[in-house]
Amino acid sequence: DQQVKQNSPSLSVQEGRISILNCDYTNSMFDYFLWYKKYPAEGPTFLISISSIKDKNEDGRFTVFLNKSAKHLSLHIVPSQPGDSAVYFCAVTRTSGSRLTFGEGTQLTVNP
Amino acid sequence: DAGITQSPRYKITETGRQVTLMCHQTWSHSYMFWYRQDLGHGLRLIYYSAAADITDKGEVPDGYVVSRSKTENFPLTLESATRSQTSVYFCASREPGLAMETQYFGPGTRLLVL
Repeated sequence: DQQVKQNSPSLSVQEGRISILNCDYTNSMFDYFLWYKKYPAEGPTFLISISSIKDKNEDGRFTVFLNKSAKHLSLHIVPSQPGDSAVYFCAVTRTSGSRLTFGEGTQLTVNP
Repeated sequence: DAGITQSPRYKITETGRQVTLMCHQTWSHSYMFWYRQDLGHGLRLIYYSAAADITDKGEVPDGYVVSRSKTENFPLTLESATRSQTSVYFCASREPGLAMETQYFGPGTRLLVL
C-alpha cells in the first residue's frame, strides 16, 4: 500500500511565481515530515521539515504547511527560481522511528 | 574525502550476473540504508542496517543481499540480476538519536541490466 503519495509527477511554473508541491499520507502515526530536493546525477538533499506539533515551518523562500486532519502537507516556494528546477520528494516518519518513507517525487521545472 | 561515496557510479550488466554496489561513509554513522529510485515509485527502501552485523529488510528486499562487517561499509549485492533491477541506487547514512534531517545520501549508482 502506498503510504505517501505525491499526485503530481510534474509541475511547471514561471520564474518569480509560486510553486506549490503537494503530498498526502495515510498513517496518522507519522509525526515528522521532510522534503528533499534532488538534482540529476546527485543524491537527494534535505530541504525543510516540520513536526506534527506545528502547522507551518518557514525557511527563506521555502515554507512547508501541514494539515494533520487531512493528512496533507505542501511545500511552497516563493519566488520560484530556475535553480529550483529539480525533483522534490516528501518523506514521512515517526519521531521514534529510524526509517523514512518517501513519496514518488514531483519534477519541478521553473522557466525563466 | 569526507562524506558518503558509492561505486561504481554507472554499471551495465547482464541478466543472471552477480553485481555488488559499494557504499562507504566516513562519519562512522551507525545507520546505513539502501534505496532504489524508479519512475513512479520514488525512493523505496531495500535494506537498512542499525550497526555492524545488524541488517534488516526494507520495502523491496527480494533479489538483494547486504552485509555490514565494518561500520563504514554497506555493500549491496544482486545475486542474479534481473531486468526489473535496472534502477538508480542510493546509499544513505545517519547517526541514531539525531534528527532525520541528518540522513545524508550518496551520489547514486545507475545500474542497467540487459
